[in-house]
Amino acid sequence: GAGVSQSPSNKVTEKGKDVELRCDPISGHTALYWYRQSLGQGLEFLIYFQGNSAPDKSGLPSDRFSAERTGGSVSTLTIQRTQQEDSAVYLCASSLTSGRETQYFGPGTRLLVL
Amino acid sequence: SQQGEEDPQALSIQEGENATMNCSYKTSINNLQWYRQNSGRGLVHLILIRSNEREKHSGRLRVTLDTSKKSSSLLITASRAADTASYFCATDANGGGSNYKLTFGKGTLLTVNP
Repeated sequence: GAGVSQSPSNKVTEKGKDVELRCDPISGHTALYWYRQSLGQGLEFLIYFQGNSAPDKSGLPSDRFSAERTGGSVSTLTIQRTQQEDSAVYLCASSLTSGRETQYFGPGTRLLVL
Repeated sequence: SQQGEEDPQALSIQEGENATMNCSYKTSINNLQWYRQNSGRGLVHLILIRSNEREKHSGRLRVTLDTSKKSSSLLITASRAADTASYFCATDANGGGSNYKLTFGKGTLLTVNP
C-alpha cells in the first residue's frame, strides 16, 4: 500500500469497555510497531512484531493491553476494560526489516475514554 | 526518562527565517531520526542519520550529529508557514538486541508566521 493505515481515526468509549485498534502496514514490511502518545508521557514504545518471531511486548503498560499480528501483516491492538488514563493517540509504524531502518508511521487512532 | 530531549520546547519565527532545533540523548546509538508531526497525528519521517555520519542534507533540511556530545541539530532553511509543526528526534539503542525501539524526545513546537 501507499502507507501505513490505521482505523478507526477516532474512538470514544466508556470506561470499562474493550476497544480494538487496527493497523495495516506498508506492503512488504516485515516489522511492525505500536507506540502511544499521551500528554504526560510523550511517545512510548508498546510492542514490536518481526516476521514469525515472538513479539517484544516489553512496552505494554498492563495486562489489559494485548496485540496480535495475523499472517505477518495486519495487526490489532486490544485494550480491555479501558481506563481514562488509556486516552491517547495510538500510533502504528512499520519498517522494511527490523532495527536500524526507518520506521514509517500511520496517522494514528485518537482514543478517548470517558 | 526520555532518551532524546529537544530544545527549545517552542520556537516562533517569521517566514523565510531559518529554524534550528537541538536534540540531546544519553546512551550510545545506531541511528538518530527526525520526525515531524502536524496537529498531534501521524509522524512524518524527515531524515535518518547514522552514528558514523556527521551531517546530512535533504532539501531545506540539514541535520548534524555529534556523537561525542550525544547531540544532534535540525536546521530548516528558508522556513515556510507549512513547516509549522512539532519536530521530534528519535534514537535507537545500540546494543542489547533491541535497537528497533525508538525513544522519542518531547518535541519542539515550531510556529512559522507568514
